[in-house]
Amino acid sequence: GDSVTQMEGPVTLSEEAFLTINCTYTATGYPSLFWYVQYPGEGLQLLLKATKADDKGSNKGFEATYRKETTSFHLEKGSVQVSDSAVYFCALSDRYGGSQGNLIFGKGTKLSVKP
Amino acid sequence: GAGVSQTPSNKVTEKGKYVELRCDPISGHTALYWYRQSLGQGPEFLIYFQGTGAADDSGLPNDRFFAVRPEGSVSTLKIQRTERGDSAVYLCASSSNTLNTEAFFGQGTRLTVV
Repeated sequence: GDSVTQMEGPVTLSEEAFLTINCTYTATGYPSLFWYVQYPGEGLQLLLKATKADDKGSNKGFEATYRKETTSFHLEKGSVQVSDSAVYFCALSDRYGGSQGNLIFGKGTKLSVKP
Repeated sequence: GAGVSQTPSNKVTEKGKYVELRCDPISGHTALYWYRQSLGQGPEFLIYFQGTGAADDSGLPNDRFFAVRPEGSVSTLKIQRTERGDSAVYLCASSSNTLNTEAFFGQGTRLTVV
């Protein structure tokens, strides 16, 4: 079945460092891809998404490009801030017959940014 | 309401007991989802409602788990004969329709079975 694999955490970076969190997927169809973020004490929030190959999702300085050839959707940010400390989840949904709420998540990557 | 509301925020119950977890979706959202998140894992899909009907319940782990949404708004996840392995955070999400719209998550109910 469909699945998502993301890099294990935790990841600890200094403020203004470059961030990459790797995410690869396995899917039989043509999934939509998502990054969700969970800040301490808060619920899951959609960070960005891409619905077809070569699309780039971006939000709050974060970017991810849907790469069908490598089945990847890596999350990047050029300069992280302390406020980016959170758990990041990569997810997919099957576009055909599914919905953007019927999601398959990775295990999550905890990011800690030190001042 | 302003967001998806889940009650209670925390629930401790004894093994073998019955529990109900409630989800109030965003007003007007027809799609509602339940997920379970175990410690150190990502959320796992349980069930999806479109209106009053369960459109996909393939994620329910066994027949001890059941969910209803009788009026197409509030949903209740019901767990019978709870086991320690049921301990997890149960998340609810809602969206305005099935395709190409964001799902908004509640903060979850942390269930602990002792």
